[in-house]
Amino acid sequence: GAVVSQHPSRVICKSGTSVKIECRSLDFQATTMFWYRQFPKQSLMLMATSNEGSKATYEQGVEKDKFLINHASLTLSTLTVTSAHPEDSSFYICSARPPGTGPRQPQHFGDGTRLSIL
Amino acid sequence: AQKITQTQPGMFVQEKEAVTLDCTYDTSDPSYGLFWYKQPSSGEMIFLIYQGSYDQQNATEGRYSLNFQKARKSANLVISASQLGDSAMYFCAMRESGNQFYFGTGTSLTVIP
Repeated sequence: GAVVSQHPSRVICKSGTSVKIECRSLDFQATTMFWYRQFPKQSLMLMATSNEGSKATYEQGVEKDKFLINHASLTLSTLTVTSAHPEDSSFYICSARPPGTGPRQPQHFGDGTRLSIL
Repeated sequence: AQKITQTQPGMFVQEKEAVTLDCTYDTSDPSYGLFWYKQPSSGEMIFLIYQGSYDQQNATEGRYSLNFQKARKSANLVISASQLGDSAMYFCAMRESGNQFYFGTGTSLTVIP
């Protein structure tokens, strides 16, 4: 089945550092990928929709300059948390869905990245 | 209005018993899909089961079944013969005509030995 790989799985870094998270579709081409943020014991909150070859679409309240998204190829989207601060600590997870498939095809998720900013 | 509502923040079930996790949804789109995902403490999202708005029968996948009541806009997940490994967060999600998924707030299930 469709596989989405996310890297790294865990990041611990100092305040002020920029952190890049990669999301790859391993066996299909994804023109669209989604980035979510999840706080402990809460639901997934959609941050942005990553579109291959064009600008990402951000949800209301998500800072574009803070969370930079690049979708340079059909198999790779990256989320960069710029100048990270402790309040950016969270679980970030990406998803993608093979194009051209029927409505029954679920979103496939990466394993997520736990980001801890000290 | 919330697209997906899960009213049970936490549920407990005895091992080997069945449990129902509630999900109601709100949409005016005639074509939509409903999904259930399991999220263990490790964080990955595991797809469990799908129900399409035009499906005549309730979906089943092994020990998982979906009690789909279209008129009531509910899509409850039934887990039969609960196992200790079923302890996790469970999310109900909906996709309308577009590609975006809407997630509920989740239900934390604990299976008691």
